[in-house]
Amino acid sequence: GAGVSQSPRYKVAKRGQDVALRCDPISGHVSLFWYQQALGQGPEFLTYFQNEAQLDKSGLPSDRFFAERPEGSVSTLKIQRTQQEDSAVYLCASEPLAGPYNEQFFGPGTRLTVL
Amino acid sequence: AQSVTQLGSHVSVSEGALVLLRCNYSSSVPPYLFWYVQYPNQGLQLLLKYTSAATLVKGINGFEAEFKKSETSFHLTKPSAHMSDAAEYFCAVPRHPNVYKLSFGAGTTVTVRA
Repeated sequence: GAGVSQSPRYKVAKRGQDVALRCDPISGHVSLFWYQQALGQGPEFLTYFQNEAQLDKSGLPSDRFFAERPEGSVSTLKIQRTQQEDSAVYLCASEPLAGPYNEQFFGPGTRLTVL
Repeated sequence: AQSVTQLGSHVSVSEGALVLLRCNYSSSVPPYLFWYVQYPNQGLQLLLKYTSAATLVKGINGFEAEFKKSETSFHLTKPSAHMSDAAEYFCAVPRHPNVYKLSFGAGTTVTVRA
C-alpha cells in the first residue's frame, strides 16, 4: 500500500517568505508527527496530532511555526517569515495509534532551504 | 528525559565484514529502544525495536541488536555487510513521559567498500 507522502520534496524560499509543507499519512493512521532534521543531526520532534487534535506542540521552535490537521488526515506545517535557521529537512510520520510499541512510518521529507 | 548517544558519525566497512554501530542510552532503563535506517532521499524505516521481551533483538535485513543494561548500550550489528547497507542509521528512545515522542541520536553514516 501507499506510504507516507510529503510535498514538495524540495523547497527554496527567500528569507521572510511563508512556506507550507504538506503531509499525506497512511490511510487510517490516527497519529501524525512532524520532525525537523538539521544537517548532520537526528530528527527533532516538533508536534503530534491524534486525529485532528494537536496534543503536543512543545517542539515547535517559535510562534512562526504552525501545524494543522483539520480533518484528521492530511496535515500542513506552515512556517511564517522564514529565517535561515529554518533550513532543514522536515519529516512527517504516521502511526496507527500512538504508543511505545508502535512503529512510526516516515515520509521522505521536504528539504527546505532558506536563502 | 531519556536520550541516546551514537558513537561515531561515520563507519566504513568492506563488503562481507562485520558492521557494528554503537548506541548508548541515558542511565535510567528505557522501556523501549529503536534502530531506524534512512536510505538516501527516503524516509526513516524501522530496523528493529527492543521492548523488554528479549535482550537480543533481530530485525530486518540481517541486523540485530543486544540490550546490555550493565553497559547502558544497544549496539547494532550485522555479521556480513552488503553494498545495499550503505545508509544512515539512527538509534532512538521514547522521551519519557511522553512515549510517543522519539528522541534520536545524531546518526551514523555507513559506507560499504567493494
